[in-house]
Amino acid sequence: SFELTQPPSVSVSPGQTASITCSGGKLGDKYVSWYQQRPGQSPVVVIYQDTKRPSGIPERFSGSNSGNTATLTISGTQAVDEADYYCQAWDNSTAVFGGGTKLTVL
Amino acid sequence: EVQLVESGGGLVQPGGSLRLSCEASGFTFSSYSMNWVRQAPGKGLEWVSFISSGSGTIYYAASVKGRFTISRDNVKNSLYLQMNSLSDEDTAVYYCARDYSRGVDHWGQGTLVTVFS
Repeated sequence: SFELTQPPSVSVSPGQTASITCSGGKLGDKYVSWYQQRPGQSPVVVIYQDTKRPSGIPERFSGSNSGNTATLTISGTQAVDEADYYCQAWDNSTAVFGGGTKLTVL
Repeated sequence: EVQLVESGGGLVQPGGSLRLSCEASGFTFSSYSMNWVRQAPGKGLEWVSFISSGSGTIYYAASVKGRFTISRDNVKNSLYLQMNSLSDEDTAVYYCARDYSRGVDHWGQGTLVTVFS
């Protein structure tokens, strides 16, 4: 079955760039979405269709997808960005989420 | 403003049933596909089921196929999830989620389902 693999945790210093990867077979052939989830809150989409940013999402969030890996990049990371991040894609008739990455800003 | 409000969660014994509802507002419900996504305590997100705008296409995760049934009422602007033969592994917060461009663009606040023996 199709799986998406994310690193369990990523650490970044304030103001630096954070990169969170999501790997899956031929992932570049699929659309990837990214979700941010702060503790006790519902997820929020930050990137959809690989690279598109919904209105209201800061420009520091960007996405890419090629080959077997999609990447969420947060430039100039802020303390408010500390959260869990999930990638997601469809494989035929099944939606799949990555295991999630805890982003720590320290 | 798009709003998705889930209800129907609660405590249920193994083998029991529960029906979740999601009331949608702030958009043309009948034009959008919808999903149910769940999250077990302290765990990640798990997709559960999808239903197209007109109910013509329905998908389920392997873990719930044959036990859960998704449906919708476009007149009442509501999405449902009938859950039967519940087990401990179904304990989770269940989110109603609007489908958009092969992803989800709006999520409800979630409703907690606890299966206990």
